[in-house]
Amino acid sequence: AQKVTQAQTEISVVEKEDVTLDCVYETRDTTYYLFWYKQPPSGELVFLIRRNSFDEQNEISGRYSWNFQKSTSSFNFTITASQVVDSAVYFCALSGDNFNKFYFGSGTKLNVKP
Amino acid sequence: DGGITQSPKYLFRKEGQNVTLSCEQNLNHDAMYWYRQDPGQGLRLIYYSQIVNDFQKGDIAEGYSVSREKKESFPLTVTSAQKNPTAFYLCASTSGGYTDTQYFGPGTRLTVL
Repeated sequence: AQKVTQAQTEISVVEKEDVTLDCVYETRDTTYYLFWYKQPPSGELVFLIRRNSFDEQNEISGRYSWNFQKSTSSFNFTITASQVVDSAVYFCALSGDNFNKFYFGSGTKLNVKP
Repeated sequence: DGGITQSPKYLFRKEGQNVTLSCEQNLNHDAMYWYRQDPGQGLRLIYYSQIVNDFQKGDIAEGYSVSREKKESFPLTVTSAQKNPTAFYLCASTSGGYTDTQYFGPGTRLTVL
């Protein structure tokens, strides 16, 4: 069975703090992809990153970084020096070679206070 | 600009009425999806379509219907059989494989009065 768990329902930080959003997944597929999306108050999901199961290199993009650990089935997302504009709901998602279905976690709401 | 458009942005419906939500994409994507999002919750898959004239039920298809007559269009009808249709509806598309990124439209917020 495919499943994505985001145990943190809501996180509040003060601007400039670092924050890590957790994502744990379950899959029986040997080849799969992991994603992070941002949903600002406007509602549209904005794609942030895609990572395949064979690439465990961490990735950094500006203030964002992602830590993929196959051994613990986790794909965590860290925002460094958070800003108010980072306030949103963040979703982790999984797709596998059983095609075309994407499994989303329940989301983590991040509140960044000035 | 390529992208996914959904209309209307807000939709109000009286109980017992069917309504159709529009989703159009000009990304030349083969696969399209409909999700429902309730307040404070994640996304639940309603229907998806891999190619024209073909679609499959997702996890919560009851009370909904779709069609896929054109590659770029995947309208969703919320029927009167849907017991609790008030929600935020998101349309998405990919170029067709599970390796591809799913891109989303801006959503339609449906309220039943």
